Amino acid sequence: GEDVEQSLFLSVREGDSSVINCTYTDSSSTYLYWYKQEPGAGLQLLTYIFSNMDMKQDQRLTVLLNKKDKHLSLRIADTQTGDSAIYFCAETPDNDMRFGAGTRLTVKP
Amino acid sequence: DSGVTQTPKHLITATGQRVTLRCSPRSGDLSVYWYQQSLDQGLQFLIHYYNGEERAKGNILERFSAQQFPDLHSELNLSSLELGDSALYFCASSVEGRGHDEQYFGPGTRLTVT
Repeated sequence: GEDVEQSLFLSVREGDSSVINCTYTDSSSTYLYWYKQEPGAGLQLLTYIFSNMDMKQDQRLTVLLNKKDKHLSLRIADTQTGDSAIYFCAETPDNDMRFGAGTRLTVKP
Repeated sequence: DSGVTQTPKHLITATGQRVTLRCSPRSGDLSVYWYQQSLDQGLQFLIHYYNGEERAKGNILERFSAQQFPDLHSELNLSSLELGDSALYFCASSVEGRGHDEQYFGPGTRLTVT
């Protein structure tokens, strides 16, 4: 399809790892992004990956990119209650930015 | 606080009306982006301005227009409003507007069309 797809909900226990998956649509996207939105706030850029990379690690965050399958994932290690938020992946075809519907991550103590 | 300001915070208006949303970017940022977030459509990119010039256009309706002024603030004009235009409108700014530049988001303007 033409939409960036994400599962809508994920629930994990504090201290576990969270993996949020995304399937994007346009293989010409130069950058792929992960954003976090906390309740009542705007989006905060968490990390991005350049399309010629397979993996990027940034502290507790690991991004994996499978270009063949157009699959992007975000792994959050040692998930904390403060990580509870909505996570959006985004692709950038043609200088546009196209977002997934967002995955609501709930972290249970 | 991201340093991006948006006014007003809330706006309630009737169908058919016209409104203007305002955004002031962070000091030194040249790029301004507008987004619409609604339950139906999710988060959608509307338009990007860099240093006064339109750089990219997303899913922006013809009833909507935007501009960026010489002092770099931006306005989003929404006209002939429909119920479906009710949404949260965010603006974001970045230093230059390159693909990986971090965008700093404002708190949003919540528009309710009745």
